[in-house]
Amino acid sequence: QKEVEQNSGPLSVPEGAIASLNCTYSDRGSQSFFWYRQYSGKSPELIMSIYSNGDKEDGRFTAQLNKASQYVSLLIRDSQPSDSATYLCAASGGGADGLTFGKGTHLIIQP
Amino acid sequence: DARVTQTPRHKVTEMGQEVTMRCQPILGHNTVFWYRQTMMQGLELLAYFRNRAPLDDSGMPKDRFSAEMPDATLATLKIQPSEPRDSAVYFCASGTPLGPYNEQFFGPGTRLTVL
Repeated sequence: QKEVEQNSGPLSVPEGAIASLNCTYSDRGSQSFFWYRQYSGKSPELIMSIYSNGDKEDGRFTAQLNKASQYVSLLIRDSQPSDSATYLCAASGGGADGLTFGKGTHLIIQP
Repeated sequence: DARVTQTPRHKVTEMGQEVTMRCQPILGHNTVFWYRQTMMQGLELLAYFRNRAPLDDSGMPKDRFSAEMPDATLATLKIQPSEPRDSAVYFCASGTPLGPYNEQFFGPGTRLTVL
C-alpha cells in the first residue's frame, strides 16, 4: 500500500516568514514528487514538481527531495496571506501513473 | 487558455439514481485521471486512461462505477446506482507523462451529493 504522510496542521506562520511543509512516502519505487496548493472549495493547483535529490527553486518556492530518507519538503519564503491554503504532497511511480496524495497540511499565514 | 473542464460542477441526486460526470482534458494531453476527494479519505485515484485506453481502474468500486473515454476530448465517469457514500468531489486531471515526468493538471471538479 503506497502511502504519503503529512502533518495535517494547522501550521501558522507570520507574514514575511518562511513556511516549511514536510511529507514522507512509503514506496521506494516512487520517482516523481509534487506539491499542489488547494484553496477551500477549489481544485488542486500544481505549484512544484521534483524528480531528483536536492533542491529545486521557483520564485518564492523551494522543493527539497531526499530519496534515501523518503522525504519531501516545500519551503515558502516571504509568506503572504494569499499563501494560506491546504498544501498537498503527492508521489508517483512515474510514467502514466496515478498520484498518491497525502491528506494535506493546512497553512495559515498571519498578517 | 488551456484548462481541464468538467460538467456538471454540482449535482444533487437521490440514492439509486444514475450519475454521469464528464471531463474534457487539455488539448494534446494523452492521459486522463479520475480522482475523488472526501474529508475522511482525502484525494484517491479511481481510474486512468492513456490514449483513450484504460490503464488502471483498481481504485474504483467495480459494481457501480464505470469510466470510459469515447474520444480524445471526452472522458466520462458513471455511477449506477448512486449511494449516499458516493457523495464527494470528483476531479478529472490530464497530462502527458514521459518517463518520470508525470505532471497532472486538475479540472474544477464535480461536487456530488447523494441524498
